Amino acid sequence: QSVLTQPPSVSAAPGQKVTISCSGSGSNIGNEYVSWYQQLPGKAPKLLIFDNNKRISGIPDRFSGSKSGASATLGITGLQTGDEADYYCGTWDSSLSVYVFGPGTKVTVL
Amino acid sequence: QIQLVQSGAEVKKPGASVKVSCKAYGYTFNTHGISWVRQAPGQGLEWMGWISTEKSDTKYAPEFQGRVIMTRDTSTNTAYMDLRGLRYDDTAVYYCARAWIASDSLDIWGQGTMVTVSA
Repeated sequence: QSVLTQPPSVSAAPGQKVTISCSGSGSNIGNEYVSWYQQLPGKAPKLLIFDNNKRISGIPDRFSGSKSGASATLGITGLQTGDEADYYCGTWDSSLSVYVFGPGTKVTVL
Repeated sequence: QIQLVQSGAEVKKPGASVKVSCKAYGYTFNTHGISWVRQAPGQGLEWMGWISTEKSDTKYAPEFQGRVIMTRDTSTNTAYMDLRGLRYDDTAVYYCARAWIASDSLDIWGQGTMVTVSA
């Protein structure tokens, strides 16, 4: 059972926008940087966003991250079929002294 | 090209140990630590711990404390994760990933190593 909460799935048509929420508490998201990872089917995870809203080099600006209080959000605009993947938020939990991941959100392009 | 290359798949019996390696290419090995993350079939990501490649300090997740040992060899730019007392629910893909410090984002990932625990 993760200390972070994400919706199990989100979906939208090609070209549309989806947002994925990640909720935590003051011991994790509230006081730590949040990262977002994309895992394509059968592949290793890949870092997309770090420090709440900074894109890794080469990641298109269709992907954006934000944080407010103890919640973070990943946005994907101009949805493409290649964006179909599982997306995980991740952050440090200072009470547990572990790096925690959300349970993951499956993005489906209709 | 910066990459982490892991050792191949393993099949182990319950109670045995497994040692997975993670070799770094394309950057100065001791500038970033290495985290280990596992993913059981159809499940999410689980952080196991982190090792400083500079000083060999370690930080383990409580559920693995006493069962996991993380080491590194700076002469070969390789990190290792040794998991002992294997149980059926240790069947998973094990990933190494580069992380400056334990609390940092994991910016480069290995390709994963499948470990199957089966009698």
